[in-house]
Amino acid sequence: SAVISQKPSRDICQRGTSLTIQCQVDSQVTMMFWYRQQPGQSLTLIATANQGSEATYESGFVIDKFPISRPNLTFSTLTVSNMSPEDSSIYLCSVEVAEAYEQYFGPGTRLTVT
Amino acid sequence: AQKVTQAQTEISVVEKEDVTLDCVYETRDTTYYLFWYKQPPSGELVFLIRRNSFDEQNEISGRYSWNFQKSTSSFNFTITASQVVDSAVYFCALSEEGSGTYKYIFGTGTRLKVLA
Repeated sequence: SAVISQKPSRDICQRGTSLTIQCQVDSQVTMMFWYRQQPGQSLTLIATANQGSEATYESGFVIDKFPISRPNLTFSTLTVSNMSPEDSSIYLCSVEVAEAYEQYFGPGTRLTVT
Repeated sequence: AQKVTQAQTEISVVEKEDVTLDCVYETRDTTYYLFWYKQPPSGELVFLIRRNSFDEQNEISGRYSWNFQKSTSSFNFTITASQVVDSAVYFCALSEEGSGTYKYIFGTGTRLKVLA
């Protein structure tokens, strides 16, 4: 398994601003993922972030809105840009444990946009 | 196309009752992986189990058991003698090896309420 931390754990932001969420893992991992979970809903994959390459975005998510960085094998950031109330969600990062096909999730960042 | 269906939106049981959470999946891959996660009110997703498509053996872990049946594309989860601490949202997920990306497809989740 892996121990994953996220910062901030929660935030309240104003419309039109941006927030960067950090995800830190206690071991080197190849694949990291960013998910969004809207209130009372399931998880939706935003993008896959591999170290040393551009993130791969899922349909409905674009880099201008959700830029991602992956500078090394233990860290990634997701920025939610030009926020609107519809961006209010829990944002979770996860990592894939090599050769186990298992993902472990961080505690999530609870974002409220007013 | 791949899909995971959890038809039960919410289930309420009284403590010590057994409860089964249903998960039905669709995939064209012959090699795939199925998962169950628990999301308690704190919000963190807790990994419970992974099952490979080529291993239909059922698994038991304490009060938890899982029944994988390829013939019906189901991967059901049973909690025996439920406890209040089992109250959470439970998600079933699918990952296809053919995708090469380890992406998960999540079901919509089942909210389990265990009443004292």
